[in-house]
Amino acid sequence: DAGVTQSPTHLIKTRGQHVTLRCSPISGHKSVSWYQQVLGQGPQFIFQYYEKEERGRGNFPDRFSARQFPNYSSELNVNALLLGDSALYLCASSAELMGGYTFGSGTRLTVV
Amino acid sequence: AQSVTQLDSQVPVFEEAPVELRCNYSSSVSVYLFWYVQYPNQGLQLLLKYLSGSTLVKGINGFEAEFNKSQTSFHLRKPSVHISDTAEYFCAVSDGGSGGSYIPTFGRGTSLIVHP
Repeated sequence: DAGVTQSPTHLIKTRGQHVTLRCSPISGHKSVSWYQQVLGQGPQFIFQYYEKEERGRGNFPDRFSARQFPNYSSELNVNALLLGDSALYLCASSAELMGGYTFGSGTRLTVV
Repeated sequence: AQSVTQLDSQVPVFEEAPVELRCNYSSSVSVYLFWYVQYPNQGLQLLLKYLSGSTLVKGINGFEAEFNKSQTSFHLRKPSVHISDTAEYFCAVSDGGSGGSYIPTFGRGTSLIVHP
């Protein structure tokens, strides 16, 4: 069975640009969450979607937005990129809200 | 609000020795607890979880953890480590929260370094 897939794996963008990151959850998983992981730190929560509705939002600016599609895949969008947005962006899916997550390998975003 | 403290940023240990990675949490409601492992350039993999029931939880790769409600701890243990256990380990806690979102909060991680 395919795990959580994220694309692209690596990305280099210039300050001020926009980026879209994509995630396909495990088949049958209806919950998708996004996390930002800066080098040397634990993942920080950005968004959670369940059944295509936003269930939670972390302490991130409005430049960050996301959505979940009818097939449960998800996109994370970041506008007006800053150098500080450079990080590993992780997508995780779960069958239920309270269970453990299955993470993708992440998208490494570098802003120059 | 929930929070997680991983008391050790780095734990060096020799191969075949036992290891304990410490995790303490704070939360005002019932909690669900998790340990994840992250190998270099990869995402996180679930090692084990405590949702309810027995306080001693067994996971993959020979790891286990014990939920101690009075000490608000969920320490991870392995009786004999291998070189391949070298990785970053993250403790996470979630609660019902507002609207039952069950969103996990992660600790800063503990780097386990196994020496031959």
